[in-house]
Amino acid sequence: GAGVSQSPSNKVTEKGKDVELRCDPISGHTALYWYRQSLGQGLEFLIYFQGNSAPDKSGLPSDRFSAERTGGSVSTLTIQRTQQEDSAVYLCASTPGLDHFLREQYFGPGTRLTVT
Amino acid sequence: GQQLNQSPQSMFIQEGEDVSMNCTSSSIFNTWLWYKQDPGEGPVLLIALYKAGELTSNGRLTAQFGITRKDSFLNISASIPSDVGIYFCAGQLSGANTGNQFYFGTGTSLTVIP
Repeated sequence: GAGVSQSPSNKVTEKGKDVELRCDPISGHTALYWYRQSLGQGLEFLIYFQGNSAPDKSGLPSDRFSAERTGGSVSTLTIQRTQQEDSAVYLCASTPGLDHFLREQYFGPGTRLTVT
Repeated sequence: GQQLNQSPQSMFIQEGEDVSMNCTSSSIFNTWLWYKQDPGEGPVLLIALYKAGELTSNGRLTAQFGITRKDSFLNISASIPSDVGIYFCAGQLSGANTGNQFYFGTGTSLTVIP
């Protein structure tokens, strides 16, 4: 079946503009995660959803970042008033669930965000 | 946040050699995942580990969940050029109220010389 998809694949925006990044998880996967990866770095957790709820928003860097998920499927990560330090690859992953043996995360290809 | 120490940071090996990398943590984990990431791509899951002491293979790859639950290693046998990439470990904390997030290591960059 189809894997996790993300759009756009690349986004160049001017400092101060808002951007929306989209994630389509694997069909039937109830949990969805957002990560940020800076050049040559590991993955930084941002937020996760179980269904449409976000129990843990602790990783969001500032109040400029927000995310939502609707219908237990598609999720959107929004960054308002973008700054140059927001430039990174934003990765989305989904898992079948949160039970112990359902936590294998499958990643999308990422959205490369460049703020000029 | 939690720190996962992944080593080595980079490796340059000859084709055919075996490779070993590991991750350690000061905290107890209940799940370890190993990923490979190619340039411009998202990480691809290689192996998932759920029990202390568990040893799991996927082709030429073998990974183990450490007995102490604070470490994991990944071995690649008889390396080939397509093994080139960055390998990440990821762990999930054990215990109530620890949340469901995964913590990622900083990656091991592998270069295979033909």
